[in-house]
Amino acid sequence: GEDVEQSLFLSVREGDSSVINCTYTDSSSTYLYWYKQEPGAGLQLLTYIFSNMDMKQDQRLTVLLNKKDKHLSLRIADTQTGDSAIYFCAETGANNLFFGTGTRLTVIP
Amino acid sequence: EAGVAQSPRYKIIEKRQSVAFWCNPISGHATLYWYQQILGQGPKLLIQFQNNGVVDDSQLPKDRFSAERLKGVDSTLKIQPAKLEDSAVYLCASSLVPGELFFGEGSRLTVL
Repeated sequence: GEDVEQSLFLSVREGDSSVINCTYTDSSSTYLYWYKQEPGAGLQLLTYIFSNMDMKQDQRLTVLLNKKDKHLSLRIADTQTGDSAIYFCAETGANNLFFGTGTRLTVIP
Repeated sequence: EAGVAQSPRYKIIEKRQSVAFWCNPISGHATLYWYQQILGQGPKLLIQFQNNGVVDDSQLPKDRFSAERLKGVDSTLKIQPAKLEDSAVYLCASSLVPGELFFGEGSRLTVL
């Protein structure tokens, strides 16, 4: 079955880069996703990567995929206070998404 | 474009009482999901609808939870009777493309 693991907390200083890591188990996942959840809100899709890619860049976001190690990371360049949120990694299950526990990113001004 | 609407935002009930949550998905989205998010955890799928048919309800505790999606649009999720461990945020999401989910703000349930 699917299992997605993330570290729970990350603190960075404003302007630095943040790297959020995720490991997953289902090697058949076609896509892997990053979602963001701000306080009191639902989840918002940030970006995704197709499983045959190893990198995707989208403005300040860079996604790296190591399919051999089943490791996914999200790098946020020039982290801002507005980036403070919980970030969820998700892999595609049989019919739907399977989410990790989330990493709470705190940006220190 | 209007987002996914959910109500109520907050609900406090005592154990063994019942509660219902409502969701209106984004217009045209055939797939609708209900997720349960317990504090400190990631969302866990309860049920997935494609139009008004159930695709996956394997994680839905069917002895107390029920959900329906009449006419393939709005959906309701009911819990009867509620237990303490049902305290969570219930998130509704809809999608046009698999994996690209649009979430509502959620309904926070507290069971006392």
